[in-house]
Amino acid sequence: EAGVTQFPSHSVIEKGQTVTLRCDPISGHDNLYWYRRVMGKEIKFLLHFVKESKQDESGMPNNRFLAERTGGTYSTLKVQPAELEDSGVYFCASSQGRSTGELFFGEGSRLTVL
Amino acid sequence: QKEVEQNSGPLSVPEGAIASLNCTYSDRGSQSFFWYRQYSGKSPELIMSIYSNGDKEDGRFTAQLNKASQYVSLLIRDSQPSDSATYLCAVKPLSSASKIIFGSGTRLSIRP
Repeated sequence: EAGVTQFPSHSVIEKGQTVTLRCDPISGHDNLYWYRRVMGKEIKFLLHFVKESKQDESGMPNNRFLAERTGGTYSTLKVQPAELEDSGVYFCASSQGRSTGELFFGEGSRLTVL
Repeated sequence: QKEVEQNSGPLSVPEGAIASLNCTYSDRGSQSFFWYRQYSGKSPELIMSIYSNGDKEDGRFTAQLNKASQYVSLLIRDSQPSDSATYLCAVKPLSSASKIIFGSGTRLSIRP
């Protein structure tokens, strides 16, 4: 069974540009999460989808970030326009059933904003 | 005060010994606690979850929870070089149905 896959693994963009990260959760997992780790900090929650609905987006930093999960399958996280402080590793995770904290993580998308 | 605190390490333990990793949390109402292992450049991987006070054992790993002291620990018996990784403590706060809060992680090094 395939795990959580993320694309791209690394993206380097200039300040002001747009980047879209993609996550494919484990098949059948209704819960999909985005987390982020910026340099030297803890991994922090961004948002949680249940199927195609946003359950909690309290961790989204500002309105430059937009997450979607059309059809309840894969998800995208768009950053527009990117700022220097957006650099970090963006992790996607998924789980099935009730949201418990037992998550399967992807290997992350490293974003570097120059 | 951080919501989940861990000693960043590195913690160096000889092969075959017991590695002890500790974590404290601030939200007294938290009910769910997790240990994730992360190898360098890889994804966090869940190795233990614990929900009740006391000990929970799984192979060489034992998680310990003391809610009164707001303390959770992970013991690794018979440490192997392959256990060298960063160990992340995570807590699910009562206030959220969605998120878990991570500590900054403890880097563990097992020396042969």
